[in-house]
Amino acid sequence: GIQVEQSPPDLILQEGANSTLRCNFSDSVNNLQWFHQNPWGQLINLFYIPSGTKQNGRLSATTVATERYSLLYISSSQTTDSGVYFCASNSGGSNYKLTFGKGTLLTVNP
Amino acid sequence: NAGVTQTPKFQVLKTGQSMTLQCAQDMNHEYMSWYRQDPGMGLRLIHYSVGAGITDQGEVPNGYNVSRSTTEDFPLRLLSAAPSQTSVYFCASSVTGDGIQYFGAGTRLSVL
Repeated sequence: GIQVEQSPPDLILQEGANSTLRCNFSDSVNNLQWFHQNPWGQLINLFYIPSGTKQNGRLSATTVATERYSLLYISSSQTTDSGVYFCASNSGGSNYKLTFGKGTLLTVNP
Repeated sequence: NAGVTQTPKFQVLKTGQSMTLQCAQDMNHEYMSWYRQDPGMGLRLIHYSVGAGITDQGEVPNGYNVSRSTTEDFPLRLLSAAPSQTSVYFCASSVTGDGIQYFGAGTRLSVL
């Protein structure tokens, strides 16, 4: 099946800093999603972005499907951005089996 | 709008006991799925369903059973719990299998 790798595994920022999280996938995809898991465990969908660029406030995401990677940008980070960021994807041949990366643990210090 | 509701939030079992984790959604989504989350492993797909009466296995199905008799409900059954099934379980739903996934709050299960 498809392999999804995220980097970096851990990231520590000061409030106000910018960051870029990366997600590499091993096969062509028709589904790429970014999620944030807050410190209480809740998983929230941030972006559905199989290709192209989207922005939502201080967050934006870009997926370059031909080169098999996606980037999540966080600008002017806040302490509430802390948590684990996951990307997930499925390959074109297995539309219903979503594979998650192991996540990036982000800590934003005040 | 409740979204995806999981019960219970916490559960402790003894090895060999059985139980059912409940998952219900009120968004009329056809696709529902169960994941387990273990430290350092991300989320792994256990079973999924593309509609009432249709289920299939995910990446780690052993030790778990599912059925889907209605669009709203997708219970996950542990027939004989094992310590290796200690984990946090998440249920998710979406309009289609490749659509935006909406997650429940999770069930933290400990098997002693």
